[in-house]
Amino acid sequence: DTEVTQTPKHLVMGMTNKKSLKCEQHMGHRAMYWYKQKAKKPPELMFVYSYEKLSINESVPSRFSPECPNSSLLNLHLHALQPEDSALYLCASSQDSLAGDTEQFFGPGTRLTVL
Amino acid sequence: SQQGEEDPQALSIQEGENATMNCSYKTSINNLQWYRQNSGRGLVHLILIRSNEREKHSGRLRVTLDTSKKSSSLLITASRAADTASYFCATDARYAGGTSYGKLTFGQGTILTVHP
Repeated sequence: DTEVTQTPKHLVMGMTNKKSLKCEQHMGHRAMYWYKQKAKKPPELMFVYSYEKLSINESVPSRFSPECPNSSLLNLHLHALQPEDSALYLCASSQDSLAGDTEQFFGPGTRLTVL
Repeated sequence: SQQGEEDPQALSIQEGENATMNCSYKTSINNLQWYRQNSGRGLVHLILIRSNEREKHSGRLRVTLDTSKKSSSLLITASRAADTASYFCATDARYAGGTSYGKLTFGQGTILTVHP
């Protein structure tokens, strides 16, 4: 299985809602990533998990809270978001973030709209 | 901040023609990667070139890397309508001691349209 899955595909939420994005991979990868992509822009890295521990937080606002329950799962908890947080959220995985020279496998993304 | 700059921003060609996209970056890198994205969905990895490599081929793809100029190019030969997509370069920065943290920085992307 060389696939990264993400749920839901689409999410509409109000600014007072709490929701979660989910990502799963079964390739035995030990690094997982969250990216945010605005329309017609490149993906921007948000978080990196390496061996289930948060290794990089790109100064992301606390209304985004990542969680890595185990090596196959990655969640992104959302709370009190702003309309400008509307974007495509991409999850990715790779063999090992510290090994270098490894490609990242991306999921199809969750398109988030904040009203 | 995004260190990669790509040109052209958009490229429109006919099937069978070659497409060349360029990427420039600013910092020392471990490797440079190219990804394709269809219609705002997930990215697909195309090719990775290490900092000590100058050229790499994969099927109809040819990538060059010039670390002295901090630039790379992606050539797609004999293009097909199915190649229509956005193409991004991404750099894996090199930190002290040659460490990589898997932290990819993406360029602005080139939108390629291949007309049948």
